[in-house]
This record gives sequence, C-alpha cells and structure tokens, in this order.
Amino acid sequence: GNSVTQMEGPVTLSEEAFLTINCTYTATGYPSLFWYVQYPGEGLQLLLKATKADDKGSNKGFEATYRKETTSFHLEKGSVQVSDSAVYFCALRLNYGGSQGNLIFGKGTKLSVKP
Amino acid sequence: NAGVTQTPKFRVLKTGQSMTLLCAQDMNHEYMYWYRQDPGMGLRLIHYSVGEGTTAKGEVPDGYNVSRLKKQNFLLGLESAAPSQTSVYFCASSPSGTVIGETQYFGPGTRLLVL
Repeated sequence: GNSVTQMEGPVTLSEEAFLTINCTYTATGYPSLFWYVQYPGEGLQLLLKATKADDKGSNKGFEATYRKETTSFHLEKGSVQVSDSAVYFCALRLNYGGSQGNLIFGKGTKLSVKP
Repeated sequence: NAGVTQTPKFRVLKTGQSMTLLCAQDMNHEYMYWYRQDPGMGLRLIHYSVGEGTTAKGEVPDGYNVSRLKKQNFLLGLESAAPSQTSVYFCASSPSGTVIGETQYFGPGTRLLVL
C-alpha cells in the first residue's frame, strides 16, 4: 500500500547545528511530496513541496529533494534556530484519477533546538 | 480571510455521549477532509468530501459520521463517544483535490477527551 516512513524522534539539536530528517515513501505512480510543520498548540502548515523527480522544495532555509530512485524526500537545514522547534511531518499525495486527494502522513518527528 | 476554522477548540465527553465538530472554510474550496492525530501515529483520514452534498469514508471511519450540506462547512459527528476516540481532530480543505502538488490548508484542531 501507499505509506510514508520518517525517522523517529525526538531529535534534539543545539542552535546552528545541521538538521536532517529522513523520509522515504511507497506509492502507486508518481506522488507529490510535502513537508508540513506543526508548532506547539497549532495546526499544520505547509513547509515545502515537490511534485516530480529531482524537484527541490525550499522555504525558510529548509530544503528537500524528490529522489525517485531512492523514493526519498529528506528534509535538511543548514543552521537550525530555537524557533524551528516543532513537529515535522512528511506526507505524500497520489496523483492519479480517482484518488481521494488526501495526504498520507508519516508519524512525525519532533525537533527540539536548544540555545 | 479566516482560512479554516474549527469549533470547539477543546471538549470533554463521557463515554456514550454525542457531539458534533464543526469545520468552516472561507476559501471556496471543493474538497474537505477530517483527520485524527494520535501520538506516534501521524494523521489518519477519517472522512472526506469532494463537494457539497457528498461524503466518503477514509482510512478510519468507524464511529464517525459526516455531513456537507453547505460547501463551506464540514461536520464530524460522534454518535456514541468511546475512549478510543480521544484524539486531536484536524479539518483540512483544498481547492480541487485533483491538481498535482495542490496544498491542503489545515484548521487549528479540536482536542477531544472521552472519559
């Protein structure tokens, strides 16, 4: 079936450290891939997305590249800040006729950044 | 432009009680979704709607009912609440559900505790 697997947390980093959160997927066809972020007490916000192989999504210093050959969409940031502390969700959306259009989520990775 | 709003923000129910969660969007989106978020499980789709007057089951529909009488509103009902329905419920909407890379917009969530 269609699924998303992301690294388990929590992940604790010091400010200015390099961040990688791994995400791999299994899907029918060629899905769109997303990273959503959930700050404490809030709903989910789109962080970045990519719709085809080798696309790179980027936003707020975060990047992720759609790798079809490894079915991966790893999230990276070169220098994290305390304000990046949140839960990060990798998700996919199927792109074929008759799909529900819903997102299929990974379990989420909690990131804590210490000053 | 409020985006996606959810009512209530928090509710405590006793086992067997019923309640309705309201989701409203002011973006004229066709597709709407209800997800539940449980620790270590990510978000899972409960029900969804592809337009006014339509509803369909998602991954975990048992114990829930939905209605979409107006395009802007999507109601989630619990007829007889059970402790297993303790969760955080998120509503989301998207313009069409069929455009590649289309973003879903999330509400702030409703935290439900069933005793």
